[in-house]
Amino acid sequence: SQQGEEDPQALSIQEGENATMNCSYKTSINNLQWYRQNSGRGLVHLILIRSNEREKHSGRLRVTLDTSKKSSSLLITASRAADTASYFCATVPRGQGGSEKLVFGKGTKLTVNP
Amino acid sequence: EAGVAQSPRYKIIEKRQSVAFWCNPISGHATLYWYQQILGQGPKLLIQFQNNGVVDDSQLPKDRFSAERLKGVDSTLKIQPAKLEDSAVYLCASSLHSLAGVVPGELFFGEGSRLTVL
Repeated sequence: SQQGEEDPQALSIQEGENATMNCSYKTSINNLQWYRQNSGRGLVHLILIRSNEREKHSGRLRVTLDTSKKSSSLLITASRAADTASYFCATVPRGQGGSEKLVFGKGTKLTVNP
Repeated sequence: EAGVAQSPRYKIIEKRQSVAFWCNPISGHATLYWYQQILGQGPKLLIQFQNNGVVDDSQLPKDRFSAERLKGVDSTLKIQPAKLEDSAVYLCASSLHSLAGVVPGELFFGEGSRLTVL
């Protein structure tokens, strides 16, 4: 079953603009992670935020986490054509009884136009 | 550092045939995962190994899918017999943590094996 749900499903912006993607999830989590997937390639880890953290930065990426709303957002600033990819949030739900696993959402397809 | 290796990259088979995918995780990574990604969807976990033991296979269709991880290193995922709905990319990933119950951190993915069932 899929825990996270990204919004929007697709996003098209111009180079230099900021891109914001949101993720909502259903159950309490240990951590939330964002991954990028270029077309036809594997997933690449971008950033991990723990349940007791509210915001993290990595280069042009900013991730926020609101556990009261069960939601997270990924902001990519000053986007580039190379940022064109699908972006997935993945959560580690709490209380899996020793079988902690990463559950992925359906992803947001980002297109950055030159 | 070498990444997660997967083969073959592409495979086309007829329904009811069998297929096997191979994965070599990053050296020293204790946990290995097989995910199935259908076009337009997010990856779905099929099976998770901790060293050579199965931690979670609750979403593995055991009547046709099998997986093993010999000596806690390489892994093979087999489908027999294949159905049309098995057409997907099969992603292998590994992570460092080695203790059961430890919350997973970053997963490292291979490039995937794309299966087309005709």
